Amino acid sequence: AQSVTQLDSQVPVFEEAPVELRCNYSSSVSVYLFWYVQYPNQGLQLLLKYLSGSTLVKGINGFEAEFNKSQTSFHLRKPSVHISDTAEYFCAVSGGSGTYKYIFGTGTRLKVLA
Amino acid sequence: DSGVTQTPKHLITATGQRVTLRCSPRSGDLSVYWYQQSLDQGLQFLIQYYNGEERAKGNILERFSAQQFPDLHSELNLSSLELGDSALYFCASSPPGTPYNEQFFGPGTRLTVL
Repeated sequence: AQSVTQLDSQVPVFEEAPVELRCNYSSSVSVYLFWYVQYPNQGLQLLLKYLSGSTLVKGINGFEAEFNKSQTSFHLRKPSVHISDTAEYFCAVSGGSGTYKYIFGTGTRLKVLA
Repeated sequence: DSGVTQTPKHLITATGQRVTLRCSPRSGDLSVYWYQQSLDQGLQFLIQYYNGEERAKGNILERFSAQQFPDLHSELNLSSLELGDSALYFCASSPPGTPYNEQFFGPGTRLTVL
């Protein structure tokens, strides 16, 4: 069975500081990995995805993530955050079993402080 | 705007009642997924339909059912509602022929059971 762990439920960070949101996954098959962002009172928007190939994936809004197979991790990073990055971030895994449904982590609330 | 529409945006009802949530996928997408987002359970996969057929089931209660119609829109029916069913319900769609299954999420329907 697949699972996703987001170790940090909340991450406060000052504006213009770097941030890393952690995601670890568990799967016995090849996976596809995703990061989604949810702004207050809105749906989920795809930030980036890892399908195959280069382990460093660049997404929208200056975010990037690195797939590490040996550590089963897919951490999200941004070198300099803005107030507008305040949101909830979800890591998801998909793949295998023929259905490709998403298994989501519990989310990390990023709060950017002025 | 993801191209996925959900109606209604908000729904307030009483315990024991039945409601129907509607989702229209993006043009050309054949798969529809339903998710429930609640404070205590996080984002949970409920059910998937592909071109009118049920493809996968997740943590969907027996009181809940769904279907996908020939025009590919989908409805999620929730009956004998309980206070604990209050949540945000998301629909997502994905295009055919993409094994990595990027999903596009609608804005959600917020259900409040009083």
